[in-house]
Amino acid sequence: EADIYQTPRYLVIGTGKKITLECSQTMGHDKMYWYQQDPGMELHLIHYSYGVNSTEKGDLSSESTVSRIRTEHFPLTLESARPSHTSQYLCASSSTGPSYNEQFFGPGTRLTVL
Amino acid sequence: KNEVEQSPQNLTAQEGEFITINCSYSVGISALHWLQQHPGGGIVSLFMLSSGKKKHGRLIATINIQEKHSSLHITASHPRDSAVYICAVSGNQFYFGTGTSLTVIP
Repeated sequence: EADIYQTPRYLVIGTGKKITLECSQTMGHDKMYWYQQDPGMELHLIHYSYGVNSTEKGDLSSESTVSRIRTEHFPLTLESARPSHTSQYLCASSSTGPSYNEQFFGPGTRLTVL
Repeated sequence: KNEVEQSPQNLTAQEGEFITINCSYSVGISALHWLQQHPGGGIVSLFMLSSGKKKHGRLIATINIQEKHSSLHITASHPRDSAVYICAVSGNQFYFGTGTSLTVIP
């Protein structure tokens, strides 16, 4: 079983609030990812990191930001939430070893912005 | 244009039936992944394969690199197999299919 955690699991907030979605993994993986998934749609990569102090934007433009100060922690922040940010956010990690392509996913955060 | 196409989008089966979900892709890859997503959103990696065939219990995944096609088979399906099954490919980046929603009826 993968050791990757996300909090909160569910969040309902008002427009304009600043929020941080937490993601932590205890597997020592260098690579971490944030995906956004709308109901019935495919996952879209919004941010990724290949190690501490490394962050990149994914193929889906996002108004969120990320940081990677510690290997195990990859939080995602929305400075001012809007209804268009309502979605599910999935965090994942992978190693750089022989199974470097295999991603382990967290349980997801379902965000609703009113 | 989707780099990864899955079929069918939705599938309902009776318990015990043999199920096949198909995946075609159009990009160069280093590996293909089958993922399972249960209601509530959690995703589990079922298989990662780059050639041939893999089997875990009642699940079998095959890939044909020349035809850029993969299949996921479930033998003796059970209601607990009800989930969304997602095909993804990885190379320079990950591409995901939209998923196949499977419902197995007792």
